[in-house]
Amino acid sequence: AQKVTQAQTEISVVEKEDVTLDCVYETRDTTYYLFWYKQPPSGELVFLIRRNSFDEQNEISGRYSWNFQKSTSSFNFTITASQVVDSAVYFCALSESGGGGKLIFGQGTELSVKP
Amino acid sequence: KAGVTQTPRYLIKTRGQQVTLSCSPISGHRSVSWYQQTPGQGLQFLFEYFSETQRNKGNFPGRFSGRQFSNSRSEMNVSTLELGDSALYLCASSLRDRVRDEQYFGPGTRLTVT
Repeated sequence: AQKVTQAQTEISVVEKEDVTLDCVYETRDTTYYLFWYKQPPSGELVFLIRRNSFDEQNEISGRYSWNFQKSTSSFNFTITASQVVDSAVYFCALSESGGGGKLIFGQGTELSVKP
Repeated sequence: KAGVTQTPRYLIKTRGQQVTLSCSPISGHRSVSWYQQTPGQGLQFLFEYFSETQRNKGNFPGRFSGRQFSNSRSEMNVSTLELGDSALYLCASSLRDRVRDEQYFGPGTRLTVT
């Protein structure tokens, strides 16, 4: 069965610390897509990144980086030199080729960055 | 380009009433999906529309329904409201390929059922 697990419910760090948000997924499809979204207090989900199952290259975008490992079914997200504005709930999501486009979300990780 | 818009932003309804929520996708996007977000269940998929046709449906009772218009705008309706329907309802649009394309979310409609 398809499932996304974000084991870390809450993480609290001090500004400028690096932080990694974990995401583990389960799927039987060979073609699937993984996403990360950010939900600030305003409530709107903001798209951060998409990765397909055939592309295991890590990606870096500014202070953000993503590590996709099929061998461990993980798609972890690292924020380098965190800032207060990074405080939000972060969701990892899975879209399967046979899933009709629905996003399967993890429970989210609430990140609090303190000054 | 304007983002996904949802109206109203906040609603308070009484048990037994019905409610209609509206969503306007990003211009050019043809797929619209709806999600329910609650503290207990998290984000759950309701349904998805493309070219006025429902292509996929989540595991929700028949009280939850939706439709899409020719201009891709979508509405969802919840009849006979229950206290458990209190949630943030999020609409998302994507260009075409709902599996591969990223979905862009609106700000949501917060529904409170009393």
